[in-house]
Amino acid sequence: SYELTQPPSVSVSPGQTASITCSGDKLGDKYACWYQQKPGQSPVLVIYQDIKRPSGIPERISGSNSGNTATLTISGTQAMDEADYYCQAWDSSSVVFGGGTKLTVL
Amino acid sequence: EVQLVESGGGLVQPGRSLRLSCAASGFTFDDYAMHWVRQAPGKGLEWVSGISWNSGSIGYAESVKGRFTISRDNAKNSLYLQMSSLRAEDTALYYCAKGGTAAAGTYCDYWGQGTLVTVSS
Repeated sequence: SYELTQPPSVSVSPGQTASITCSGDKLGDKYACWYQQKPGQSPVLVIYQDIKRPSGIPERISGSNSGNTATLTISGTQAMDEADYYCQAWDSSSVVFGGGTKLTVL
Repeated sequence: EVQLVESGGGLVQPGRSLRLSCAASGFTFDDYAMHWVRQAPGKGLEWVSGISWNSGSIGYAESVKGRFTISRDNAKNSLYLQMSSLRAEDTALYYCAKGGTAAAGTYCDYWGQGTLVTVSS
């Protein structure tokens, strides 16, 4: 079965750029998306179809996908960005999530 | 405003069955795929099952294949998950999520608040 691998944790200083990776075999040939989940809340879609942002998601959140790696980039990281982030990809009628990355804003 | 309201969760003994429901509103239900995603306590997200707009394409995670059945009633704007032969490892918060497209394999652009399923004797 298809697998997506994320680092368990990433730390960043306020105002700096955070990058969270998601690796999978030929992931660049599929669409990837990203979710943000804060404690006690439901996930929120922040990036879909590799690079698109839903309405209401700030421009400092961006995505890319090439080769075997999709990347979520948060520029000018703020305390409010501290959360768990999950990547997701799909193939035909099957969906897979990455294990999640805890982003800590120090 | 898109709203997804799950119901049907609760405490159930191993080996028993349970049916989850999701009432959808605020969008044209039969234009979009729908999904069930679960999250065990303190763990990550796990896709459970997805169904295309017309039920023509359905997918299941290997961990639930043969035990869970997803269905939808477009006339009632409702999504269902029939769970049987439940195991302790099925204990989780079950989210109903709206697909971003009509296809079963897609992203989820809106999520409900979840319904908790606890499998224990």
